[in-house]
Amino acid sequence: DTAVSQTPKYLVTQMGNDKSIKCEQNLGHDTMYWYKQDSKKFLKIMFSYNNKELIINETVPNRFSPKSPDKAHLNLHINSLELGDSAVYFCASSQVPQGRETQYFGPGTRLLVL
Amino acid sequence: AQSVAQPEDQVNVAEGNPLTVKCTYSVSGNPYLFWYVQYPNRGLQFLLKYITGDNLVKGSYGFEAEFNKSQTSFHLKKPSALVSDSALYFCAVRDKSSSNTGKLIFGQGTTLQVKP
Repeated sequence: DTAVSQTPKYLVTQMGNDKSIKCEQNLGHDTMYWYKQDSKKFLKIMFSYNNKELIINETVPNRFSPKSPDKAHLNLHINSLELGDSAVYFCASSQVPQGRETQYFGPGTRLLVL
Repeated sequence: AQSVAQPEDQVNVAEGNPLTVKCTYSVSGNPYLFWYVQYPNRGLQFLLKYITGDNLVKGSYGFEAEFNKSQTSFHLKKPSALVSDSALYFCAVRDKSSSNTGKLIFGQGTTLQVKP
């Protein structure tokens, strides 16, 4: 009964490949997020969707494209992977985007680009 | 611009002793502040948050945090540390400059090491 789940947990791939990471939440939340944690453990938001509508789109290369087929899912597709994309990617969700709502995080996807 | 600072990269404490992990913030208006913990190779777990009201907020696993508006701080505390508390701790503030987006701005993280 995991609240926020991500697949795969680990992803090792070659430069130039295209890969996708999937996220699902069973909390009934309206809002989902993607965060990137770099090698120094610094966390930064990438995207956010509220009711399948994109509401946050930080300065992220166009190679990254989120897709939300429904409120419970937010997938991240990455084209033409580069070495610098190696990081841990976390999905999160919250009831609504505003104010006091707590964001709940998934276990992370560890991406290594060789 | 909204920001959060965790001035210590690492905090070392002996088991049974009190612990403090520091966090200071810079926001316009009233802040919404959060603490998360990340165990090795795991996701972030929510510990506690300050929205309004009592300055002392109690959270999971015996942790608490004190909101101090004059010092713009939100330090995480626990009266008696456990070895199992060893982890990476993140302070975060809700970004109010982007209305209704829920964007969280994280501090750089503090590694807590509790030794037996």
